[in-house]
Amino acid sequence: AQSVSQHNHHVILSEAASLELGCNYSYGGTVNLFWYVQYPGQHLQLLLKYFSGDPLVKGIKGFEAEFIKSKFSFNLRKPSVQWSDTAEYFCAVNYSSASKIIFGSGTRLSIRP
Amino acid sequence: GAVVSQHPSRVICKSGTSVKIECRSLDFQATTMFWYRQFPKQSLMLMATSNEGSKATYEQGVEKDKFLINHASLTLSTLTVTSAHPEDSSFYICSATKDSSNTEAFFGQGTRLTVV
Repeated sequence: AQSVSQHNHHVILSEAASLELGCNYSYGGTVNLFWYVQYPGQHLQLLLKYFSGDPLVKGIKGFEAEFIKSKFSFNLRKPSVQWSDTAEYFCAVNYSSASKIIFGSGTRLSIRP
Repeated sequence: GAVVSQHPSRVICKSGTSVKIECRSLDFQATTMFWYRQFPKQSLMLMATSNEGSKATYEQGVEKDKFLINHASLTLSTLTVTSAHPEDSSFYICSATKDSSNTEAFFGQGTRLTVV
């Protein structure tokens, strides 16, 4: 069955620290990959997406993610986090064969000012 | 842009009653709409996928007779929670895609349902 795993449930960092959030997905043929962010009390917003081409994808607010096909991973990174990055982060995978988008369990990011 | 709007944003209903939640794509035609349920501090669980003019495809474990989905037009899908119970209290989120490959989904703001 298709599945998406986010291994970090809750990450706590200080401002200016570097961030990497893990995301792995199960094999399911052709996939499109996404990272969404949900700020407290707000709806989901797209951070970045990978469809094809350069496996290093740059998104909004200084975030980037690297698609490593051999590892079925799509980890999210940011070199220097800010307090305003406090939010819930969701990795999502669109399995083309199934025409549906599956979400990971989410990672709560807390930034200490 | 691509805006998806849900209505209502919050609803409180009594046990045994039914509640309808609307999901509209405001500036594009949505070939596919998805309904998710999010429990507190948990991820989005896909409930069903609906295509305009056809029956929704429900995920395993989701009761189709309890969660009725209607996708009557390319801009509107509705989720009706029938005979609601307190355990149905949750955050329901819809999303819509513009093309048949479902390469990107746009999300509504969600509906907080509380059943008392």
